[in-house]
Amino acid sequence: AQSVTQLDSQVPVFEEAPVELRCNYSSSVSVYLFWYVQYPNQGLQLLLKYLSGSTLVKGINGFEAEFNKSQTSFHLRKPSVHISDTAEYFCAVSDIEGGKLIFGQGTELSVKP
Amino acid sequence: DSGVTQTPKHLITATGQRVTLRCSPRSGDLSVYWYQQSLDQGLQFLIQYYNGEERAKGNILERFSAQQFPDLHSELNLSSLELGDSALYFCASSGTGGATNEKLFFGSGTQLSVL
Repeated sequence: AQSVTQLDSQVPVFEEAPVELRCNYSSSVSVYLFWYVQYPNQGLQLLLKYLSGSTLVKGINGFEAEFNKSQTSFHLRKPSVHISDTAEYFCAVSDIEGGKLIFGQGTELSVKP
Repeated sequence: DSGVTQTPKHLITATGQRVTLRCSPRSGDLSVYWYQQSLDQGLQFLIQYYNGEERAKGNILERFSAQQFPDLHSELNLSSLELGDSALYFCASSGTGGATNEKLFFGSGTQLSVL
């Protein structure tokens, strides 16, 4: 079975500062990895996903994530955040056979002016 | 707008009652997923249907059941409700293949409050 751990429940950061949201996963099989964002009072939207190939994945809104197999991590980064990036971010994993998407507990990113 | 429609947006009911949550997937999507989001449990996968058949099951209680109809809309039935069932219930849909690497499109959720 897979599991996902998001290491920070809340990340406060000032506008235009860089940010990293950390995600570690565990699985005995090959996986696909995802980051979703949930803006207040909305459903989740896909930010980016890693399926195979290059370990650096670029997503929407200037976010990127790096897959590190040896450290079983998939951290999300943005070099300069905006107030509008304030949201909850979910890391998720699915195995390549099973069909279930397992989410982490979420990280609340709060961008302050 | 994701194209996934969930109704109702809010639901307030009492313990012991039964409710039905409804989801219409994006046009053309055959897979429907149900998730429960609560403060203590986070986002938990409940169940997936693909073209009317149950495809995968997660942490879904026996008091809960779901189905997907021929027109591909799905309903999640919650019965004998308890206070702890209060949560945001999300429906998501994905493209025709139902493969695990597909992007999920989420609805805005149904906020269930059990009093």
